[in-house]
Amino acid sequence: DAGVTQSPTHLIKTRGQQVTLRCSPISGHKSVSWYQQVLGQGPQFIFQYYEKEERGRGNFPDRFSARQFPNYSSELNVNALLLGDSALYLCASSLRDTSNYGYTFGSGTRLTVV
Amino acid sequence: AQKITQTQPGMFVQEKEAVTLDCTYDTSDQSYGLFWYKQPSSGEMIFLIYQGSYDEQNATEGRYSLNFQKARKSANLVISASQLGDSAMYFCAMREGRIEYGGSQGNLIFGKGTKLSVKP
Repeated sequence: DAGVTQSPTHLIKTRGQQVTLRCSPISGHKSVSWYQQVLGQGPQFIFQYYEKEERGRGNFPDRFSARQFPNYSSELNVNALLLGDSALYLCASSLRDTSNYGYTFGSGTRLTVV
Repeated sequence: AQKITQTQPGMFVQEKEAVTLDCTYDTSDQSYGLFWYKQPSSGEMIFLIYQGSYDEQNATEGRYSLNFQKARKSANLVISASQLGDSAMYFCAMREGRIEYGGSQGNLIFGKGTKLSVKP
C-alpha cells in the first residue's frame, strides 16, 4: 500500500506569491494534519481535518488555509508568502478517529521563499 | 501550556551500544500520549513508539523502549544495539487536546529534537 504522498517535493517561490501543497493520505485514512518544520526545529501544528471538516488549527496567520476533499486528500494554501514561510511542510494521516498511535507522515514538501 | 523539552542537541554512540535520548514534558492533563519519531535526512517522520499516560508498563518496540517516569514527567527513548542506520534526528512529541469520538484527535507538540550519530 502507498504511504502518505505529498507533492511537489520541492518548491521555490518569490515573496508575495501564493502556493498550494497537496497531500494524499493512506487509503482509508480519514484524518489529515499539516505541520510546518522550520530548519532546526520540531514540526509545528497548522491544521487538522477529519471527514472534510476542520477539527483543529494551530497558531498560524490567516494567510494559511486548507481543505479536505471527498476522497480525503488535502491541500494547504499559503498566500502572500514571506521569507519566514520557508520550511518543510509535512502532511500526516490517521486511520481511526480516536487513534492513540499518532499519525503516518509523508516525506514533506520543502518550500523555499526567495 | 503543554511543552516538550529535549535537552540534547546531539548525541554520539558507538555501533552496537545502547543510547538514551532524553525527553521531559509539561502538561496539566491527566490523559495524554507520548510519542517518539525518527526523521532521517529524507524528511519523513517515522513513528517509533507510543506511551499512554495510563499505561502501567513501559512501551517496547523491538530495539526501542520508552522509559516512562510519570512523576518526573520524563519519557526517555532507549535504543539498544545501535546500528549505523539509526543515525537521524529523533523527536519526542505529546498529543495535545482531547480526543473526541468522531471528532478531534488532538494534535502533536514536538520537541526540538536530538541528532543521533552512530559511529562504526
